[in-house]
Amino acid sequence: DAGVIQSPRHEVTEMGQEVTLRCKPISGHDYLFWYRQTMMRGLELLIYFNNNVPIDDSGMPEDRFSAKMPNASFSTLKIQPSEPRDSAVYFCASRTLGEVGEQFFGPGTRLTVL
Amino acid sequence: GQNIDQPTEMTATEGAIVQINCTYQTSGFNGLFWYQQHAGEAPTFLSYNVLDGLEEKGRFSSFLSRSKGYSYLLLKELQMKDSASYLCAVKDSNYQLIWGAGTKLIIKP
Repeated sequence: DAGVIQSPRHEVTEMGQEVTLRCKPISGHDYLFWYRQTMMRGLELLIYFNNNVPIDDSGMPEDRFSAKMPNASFSTLKIQPSEPRDSAVYFCASRTLGEVGEQFFGPGTRLTVL
Repeated sequence: GQNIDQPTEMTATEGAIVQINCTYQTSGFNGLFWYQQHAGEAPTFLSYNVLDGLEEKGRFSSFLSRSKGYSYLLLKELQMKDSASYLCAVKDSNYQLIWGAGTKLIIKP
């Protein structure tokens, strides 16, 4: 398996622009997570899905952030409009329902908003 | 509130042993994870403890005491490639992962 795939790996945009981050989870995984990581705040859970359904979006910072999972193999995280404080590394992770349920992370998208 | 504490940074010498501690206060407990994260890379799973005691996996071991809300990750025979951040995460009563801020481990030759 190729693991969790994210695109793009790097994104540089200007304030006010729309940004879309993409994720393909590991085939057969029931759960998908979107995280944001910064030096100041560490790893923060933004939202997670179970069987394509959003379960908890309490970590989404504000209405500028939205996430979708139209099918089991694809999810997007959208920021509109983007702001400089959104600059961070965004990770997507997936896992199975198993007892341990360790999460497998994608390589991340490094977002810079100028 | 929910809280996980880890030292911010530790330094150790190549070939030595280092212990990274993690204390937690969470609403419920359903397991504790340790992840390794090299600079510029994604976190990768290292170990999982759900019962008290020591889990050994090669050069790495992880210990858990549920009554004390305490875990540690023990790294033996340190290698330069072990320089990374080590993240402690607890699965709470809702099976949500609560993440610590991570411990940056610096290995010196």
